[in-house]
Amino acid sequence: AQKVTQAQTEISVVEKEDVTLDCVYETRDTTYYLFWYKQPPSGELVFLIRRNSFDEQNEISGRYSWNFQKSTSSFNFTITASQVVDSAVYFCALSEVITDKLIFGTGTRLQVFP
Amino acid sequence: GAVVSQHPSRVICKSGTSVKIECRSLDFQATTMFWYRQFPKQSLMLMATSNEGSKATYEQGVEKDKFLINHASLTLSTLTVTSAHPEDSSFYICSARLSRGVKNEQYFGPGTRLTVT
Repeated sequence: AQKVTQAQTEISVVEKEDVTLDCVYETRDTTYYLFWYKQPPSGELVFLIRRNSFDEQNEISGRYSWNFQKSTSSFNFTITASQVVDSAVYFCALSEVITDKLIFGTGTRLQVFP
Repeated sequence: GAVVSQHPSRVICKSGTSVKIECRSLDFQATTMFWYRQFPKQSLMLMATSNEGSKATYEQGVEKDKFLINHASLTLSTLTVTSAHPEDSSFYICSARLSRGVKNEQYFGPGTRLTVT
């Protein structure tokens, strides 16, 4: 069965600290996609990244970076120099290639204090 | 591009009434749309997959007679919560798939907050 685990339910940091959000997934598929979404208090999901299972290169986008490790089935997300605007719930998700169904983790609530 | 809208954004209804939520892809055609449900401080759970011109596929445990899904056109899917009860109060989010294959992308609507009194 497909499963996404985000063990950290809540993280609090002070502005400018770096923070890493963990994501561990389970799947029997050899081809799959992994995603990160941000959900601010307004509720709208904001797409952050999509990574396919064949691309293990780490990615950096501004203050955001992602570490995909197939060997440990992990897809961790790091925010460098966090800002108050980063406060939100972050979801990691796994997608089945054939059905496109998204399986979401339980989310990590990040609070960044000034 | 790839904008998905939902209407209404918020709705309050009385127990026993039905509520219709619309999901529209504004600038692209979506053969497939997905409906998710999110309880407060919880994750998103897929309710059903809606394919244009055919019956929706419901996830296990989702009552298809209670949550009616219609995908009559390539830009519109509707979710009707029939005979709503307070336990149906939730945040409903739709997404639309832009294309199949490598991209495998879904674009999410802003969500509809349903409160049943």
